[in-house]
Amino acid sequence: KAGVTQTPRYLIKTRGQQVTLSCSPISGHRSVSWYQQTPGQGLQFLFEYFSETQRNKGNFPGRFSGRQFSNSRSEMNVSTLELGDSALYLCASSLEGDSYNSPLHFGNGTRLTVT
Amino acid sequence: AQSVTQLDSQVPVFEEAPVELRCNYSSSVSVYLFWYVQYPNQGLQLLLKYLSGSTLVKGINGFEAEFNKSQTSFHLRKPSVHISDTAEYFCAVSELGNEKLTFGTGTRLTIIP
Repeated sequence: KAGVTQTPRYLIKTRGQQVTLSCSPISGHRSVSWYQQTPGQGLQFLFEYFSETQRNKGNFPGRFSGRQFSNSRSEMNVSTLELGDSALYLCASSLEGDSYNSPLHFGNGTRLTVT
Repeated sequence: AQSVTQLDSQVPVFEEAPVELRCNYSSSVSVYLFWYVQYPNQGLQLLLKYLSGSTLVKGINGFEAEFNKSQTSFHLRKPSVHISDTAEYFCAVSELGNEKLTFGTGTRLTIIP
């Protein structure tokens, strides 16, 4: 069974631009979560989608948004990029969206560099 | 709100020696506890999890962890480490019915040959 696939692996953008990251979950998984990983802040929860609905949201500004499609694939968008948005963005999927039944499976991440 | 503290940011250990990576959590409700490992340039991989039942949990690659409710701890142990265990280890907690995982800041395990 294929794992969680994130594209692209690397991105370089300029301040003020916007970016879209993509995540394909494990087949059959309906929950997709996004995390931002930086050396200073560690892993921080962005949001979780389940059956095309945002179910949980972290403490990030509105510049960070996401969506989930009917096939469970998810995209994350960051608008008006800032230097501080440089990070590894991790996507994780789970079967039913609750930790008891199905722990998270992570992709290898998209490394975003903002210059 | 739940939180996780990993007391050591870096742990150097000689090859074939035992290791313990410490994790303490805080939550007002029942929790699920996890240890994840991150190898260079990769995502996180689940090592083991505590959901309920036996407090001693065995995971992959010879790792185990013990849930101690009175001390709110979930320390990770391995009796004999290998070079291939060099990685960053994250402790995480989630609460019943909530998919949001709260991670600790990570412990970088370095194995010395």
